[in-house]
Amino acid sequence: QSVLTQPPSVSGAPGQRVTISCTGSSSNIGPTHDVHWYQQLPGTAPKLLIYGNNNRPSGVPDRFSGSKSGTSGSLAITGLQAEDEADYYCQSYDTSLGWVFGGGTKLTVL
Amino acid sequence: EEQLVESGGDLVQPGGSLRLSCEASGFKFSTYAMSWVRQVPGKGLEWVSTITRSGDKTYYANSVNGRFTISRDNSKSTLSLQMNSLRAEDTAVYYCANSPGWLPIGWFFDVWGRGTPVTVSS
Repeated sequence: QSVLTQPPSVSGAPGQRVTISCTGSSSNIGPTHDVHWYQQLPGTAPKLLIYGNNNRPSGVPDRFSGSKSGTSGSLAITGLQAEDEADYYCQSYDTSLGWVFGGGTKLTVL
Repeated sequence: EEQLVESGGDLVQPGGSLRLSCEASGFKFSTYAMSWVRQVPGKGLEWVSTITRSGDKTYYANSVNGRFTISRDNSKSTLSLQMNSLRAEDTAVYYCANSPGWLPIGWFFDVWGRGTPVTVSS
């Protein structure tokens, strides 16, 4: 059971908007602990998607955005494309456990 | 191009030892904290260990503390993970990744390698 809670799966049709939530606690996601997001395409290594709650690394399309509120983070994907079908993980720092990940969310593009 | 290449994964018996390596290129290795993250096939990501830029501080997940040792050689741009007393539950793909920034609480995993598989089985 992961310290950060994500929905196991989400789905959407091409062109639609989907969001993935990441729920933590006061010992991890909070005022001083950021949320980061990773995309893992089938058979590949994870790739940094969002860092520092809402920052996109160079090369990541602006269809991907992140936010944080209280002890939860959220990843939004607009204009859904077939190539977005992947597993998505959130990550933060926990004061007791160190660096922690969510259990992952499988995105299916219908 | 920033690149990380892991090696050393193998099939090992329970109780055995293994040493993983990660070679970095395309970035200034000594200016990044470095970490190992593992993933059981079909399962989620699990942070394993992190070492600071200079190597003066190391951090371990509870599941590996006392069995695994992380180290780095900045002169060779290499990261290592010595794994002792291996258990079946250590079976996973092991990724190395770098983390920019000064503060541990803000570290995320920027560049990732392709991973090296470790199987612990008799």
